[in-house]
Amino acid sequence: NAGVTQTPKFRILKIGQSMTLQCTQDMNHNYMYWYRQDPGMGLKLIYYSVGAGITDKGEVPNGYNVSRSTTEDFPLRLELAAPSQTSVYFCASRRSGDNQPQHFGDGTRLSIL
Amino acid sequence: QQQVKQSPQSLIVQKGGISIINCAYENTAFDYFPWYQQFPGKGPALLIAIRPDVSEKKEGRFTISFNKSAKQFSLHIMDSQPGDSATYFCAASSLGGTSYGKLTFGQGTILTVHP
Repeated sequence: NAGVTQTPKFRILKIGQSMTLQCTQDMNHNYMYWYRQDPGMGLKLIYYSVGAGITDKGEVPNGYNVSRSTTEDFPLRLELAAPSQTSVYFCASRRSGDNQPQHFGDGTRLSIL
Repeated sequence: QQQVKQSPQSLIVQKGGISIINCAYENTAFDYFPWYQQFPGKGPALLIAIRPDVSEKKEGRFTISFNKSAKQFSLHIMDSQPGDSATYFCAASSLGGTSYGKLTFGQGTILTVHP
């Protein structure tokens, strides 16, 4: 059981480039989330999804897009990379229902230069 | 504003000591308070969680204390061990409705336990 898998682990982008961060989970969880983690700032929610075809904005969605075509996959798209998007990105998933923990991947460390 | 404030930013404890991390929240709709533990290069993992209908929850060496009237909760790590060295995040969520399990995280505390 792999849990939540994120690829790539590391990436360096130039300003203005685009890329997709991949996230897949094999636990059949309905809910999935994307966070960014910056030093001293905790984790901020970018986007979330409650099922295939359903996505919504979190606290810091500007500059990002998501899609959810299957239960397993929840990719995060950066269209025009900016230095402010340098961060560590975490994907998480959980079952629906109360008191369910979020299961996190090991993150993608992204640098925009 | 849905904020969770966490302190201290960093904490150094000797092996066998007690580590205490504090969090305060503003949104009275929050009714689920988990703590996550994160090791370098890894994603956060659920450590322990509490609901506000109890004032304390203990799991092994880890205890959450909850003060609903003060809107504060804390994590106590008894007999701290070097293997406990990690970053700890408190979080809060509203159960049910349209919250969809979304978590609001504190800023994190880097715990170092010296042998």
